[in-house]
Amino acid sequence: DSGVTQTPKHLITATGQRVTLRCSPRSGDLSVYWYQQSLDQGLQFLIQYYNGEERAKGNILERFSAQQFPDLHSELNLSSLELGDSALYFCASSVDRGGAASPDTQYFGPGTRLTVL
Amino acid sequence: GDSVTQMEGPVTLSEEACLTINCTYTATGYPSLFWYVQYPGEGLQLLLKATKADDKGSNKGFEATYRKETTSFHLEKGSVQVSDSAVYFCALRGSARQLTFGSGTQLTVLP
Repeated sequence: DSGVTQTPKHLITATGQRVTLRCSPRSGDLSVYWYQQSLDQGLQFLIQYYNGEERAKGNILERFSAQQFPDLHSELNLSSLELGDSALYFCASSVDRGGAASPDTQYFGPGTRLTVL
Repeated sequence: GDSVTQMEGPVTLSEEACLTINCTYTATGYPSLFWYVQYPGEGLQLLLKATKADDKGSNKGFEATYRKETTSFHLEKGSVQVSDSAVYFCALRGSARQLTFGSGTQLTVLP
């Protein structure tokens, strides 16, 4: 058990809908990362939040957004869903207290499997 | 940008065989390198890591050495078990904090 929790475990929805994925980081971790794992694109970084602020953006679509709340949990919002958004979405957390890029390990949650029909 | 090239799978071995999964990377500066493992139906678990050149990461009988001269971080195990069957991902963390992953290698170990 990594200490990172994600809900829900599975989500089935229809095209055009909007969903929210939730992540609770390990106790004490300030950074939350979101990744998408799909068969055609592999594992891709979407976005990072650090202590409530957006820190970095990767290949995140404009239809997707995220936020990190004062208690450090994070939500990933996916809207106007398309078939191609079906994937496994992972959240990871790390301490990230270093000023420069530090080798802090990222710990992954079990993922949310999104199926868009 | 940063990239990781990983040995294509799937790889099928008999129990107690030797394993090597090749991983090479491209990055500016001095990245940290990681191997993650994903068991069926589960999330990613950190297997081992190395943060500077010539460091050797090890865990559960797996080893990988950070080779800066060849920009490689190959995963090795001397004797695999059925329970090692999983997908293995090589990853790097460069000047940006996010991880860049390889495509993953599916390993199946037969009894």
